[in-house]
Amino acid sequence: DQQVKQNSPSLSVQEGRISILNCDYTNSMFDYFLWYKKYPAEGPTFLISISSIKDKNEDGRFTVFLNKSAKHLSLHIVPSQPGDSAVYFCAASAWSNQFYFGTGTSLTVIP
Amino acid sequence: NAGVMQNPRHLVRRRGQEARLRCSPMKGHSHVYWYRQLPEEGLKFMVYLQKENIIDESGMPKERFSAEFPKEGPSILRIQQVVRGDSAAYFCASSPGGRGPSSYEQYFGPGTRLTVT
Repeated sequence: DQQVKQNSPSLSVQEGRISILNCDYTNSMFDYFLWYKKYPAEGPTFLISISSIKDKNEDGRFTVFLNKSAKHLSLHIVPSQPGDSAVYFCAASAWSNQFYFGTGTSLTVIP
Repeated sequence: NAGVMQNPRHLVRRRGQEARLRCSPMKGHSHVYWYRQLPEEGLKFMVYLQKENIIDESGMPKERFSAEFPKEGPSILRIQQVVRGDSAAYFCASSPGGRGPSSYEQYFGPGTRLTVT
């Protein structure tokens, strides 16, 4: 029962261009969404989040968009940098009890 | 300012042995979550604990797995009679709890990679 889905296992982007990572969810009770970045042999690192009462949150080069009607969120990274190469997980929660993670998208930024 | 600490980082066990994974949350954090990541998969929620309480263990296998977060000391994830299918990376995360956006922000440890031979 995969309540959070990341349908693209990998993505390659040229340095300086925009990276768009997508995530879909099924549970309309989710009230908070997060993006994590993970390097090999390390734990995930929190990147950016958005509450279900908003449709956009921006932090520097990172912007998360939430479309509740479509149950879809996306992470935009612009401009992309080689150091952004990592696996990105989206996660969703209802009342911060359980967190459901997607399977991750491996982003490669080509110099 | 130590982050979330997990030990050991790597653990090798033979089938039938017990595995004990430890997690020390960030200073000031009273909420701990355990996740398992199988190869080629995402993180799967296992259990959510506060000090001396299990809040949600709906992601834990019914048998052989248990978790605790005592008043003093680290949180422990215990796997009894390990099988090969238990081989995975186990991550612990902590959060400050409470209400508001900060209650959702989890800080992850580096993980324990369990290999069952």
